[in-house]
Amino acid sequence: DAKTTQPNSMESNEEEPVHLPCNHSTISGTDYIHWYRQLPSQGPEYVIHGLTSNVNNRMASLAIAEDRKSSTLILHRATLRDAAVYYCILRLTGNQFYFGTGTSLTVIP
Amino acid sequence: NAGVTQTPKFQVLKTGQSMTLQCAQDMNHNSMYWYRQDPGMGLRLIYYSASEGTTDKGEVPNGYNVSRLNKREFSLRLESAAPSQTSVYFCASSAGGYGSTEAFFGQGTRLTVV
Repeated sequence: DAKTTQPNSMESNEEEPVHLPCNHSTISGTDYIHWYRQLPSQGPEYVIHGLTSNVNNRMASLAIAEDRKSSTLILHRATLRDAAVYYCILRLTGNQFYFGTGTSLTVIP
Repeated sequence: NAGVTQTPKFQVLKTGQSMTLQCAQDMNHNSMYWYRQDPGMGLRLIYYSASEGTTDKGEVPNGYNVSRLNKREFSLRLESAAPSQTSVYFCASSAGGYGSTEAFFGQGTRLTVV
């Protein structure tokens, strides 16, 4: 199964941009890159996803490397409510998707 | 606007007891999933159902059974609970398809086996 590698933890100051990296060197051409986040004591929630091109939505931006072996989730202005564990996931064909251990983001006031 | 509903929210079982975790979604999604999350860990896929009438094993299926009762409901059964099954269980659903659809998660069931 394709896997992802993320830093265990990151810190950011409030109202500054945050760049969360993810490596997925074994990605195949049909795998979508998904990002979810999990707030304390809650289920994961969808953030963004993409295949080849960069993507923007109201929550974040997703920058995908040209060779698709890495991607970066960008939170444009971190708030205290963005403190969570962020998971980078490869959404495989066959409807399966597997979580890694994620990056725990701390936002400093 | 319920989304994915899991019951119960909390449960304590004795070793060897059985129970069924219930999950229902109201978004007309084809695919449903069961995950477990141990403390400080990411989620691990137990079973999934790509569509009504089909189920498949995930990463950690041992000790569990599932039933896709209809398009809305996907249950997870522990036939003989063990302390190693103490965990938080999450149900999720997605429209399915090629991988381009997002998944929606329930709030979790916190299970303790003593």
